[in-house]
Amino acid sequence: EVVLTQSPATLSLSPGDTATLSCRASQAVSNYLGWYQQKPGQAPRLLIYDTSKRAAGIPARFRGSGSGTDFTLTISSLEPEDFAVYFCQQRSSWYIFGQGTKLEIK
Amino acid sequence: QVHLVESGGGVVQPGRSLRLSCAASGFSFSGHRMHWLRQTPGKGMEWVAVILSDGSNKHYGDSVKGRFTISRDNSENMLYLQMNSLRGEDTAMYYCAKEVIYGEYYFDSWGQGTLVSVSS
Repeated sequence: EVVLTQSPATLSLSPGDTATLSCRASQAVSNYLGWYQQKPGQAPRLLIYDTSKRAAGIPARFRGSGSGTDFTLTISSLEPEDFAVYFCQQRSSWYIFGQGTKLEIK
Repeated sequence: QVHLVESGGGVVQPGRSLRLSCAASGFSFSGHRMHWLRQTPGKGMEWVAVILSDGSNKHYGDSVKGRFTISRDNSENMLYLQMNSLRGEDTAMYYCAKEVIYGEYYFDSWGQGTLVSVSS
């Protein structure tokens, strides 16, 4: 069974900083991966699909990259509204998710 | 604009049943596969079940197989999750979600969730 491991669990940064979030698969099942953003009390929102493509309405400061087992979400010039939980998702047999990274204000 | 609204959650005793509903609007419901997912602070997001657009095929996560049943009514734009033999570990926020297919499969629209608590 494939497991997605996200790191760090918590990332403390300031507005204007650049955030780098990692998602590592226990084995390579696809070169495609998605990223979601979730704010407290809200539904998740699809940010990135197919590793590097931004979903509709997602600002260019969100960038996805990677392949094989290692994937990265980079958020440049953090805005106050970017502080949230981010989790990754792939499909192996079915749909699997990482445990999430909480991006908090330092 | 896609709108998904879950309902039916609540507190239920172990071994009992609960039926969740998801009202969909703003898109061609009958043209999309639909899912139920759940989320807990400890385990994170877990996929629960999927149903094909015409309801002809359904698949379940291992933890709910044999206990949960996903269904849909395309005439009413409704998605359902019948949950039987509930356990404490089924306690979670349950979301319905619409699937989108690009190079892979993702969830591009989610409801706000309905909370299920299984406790005696």
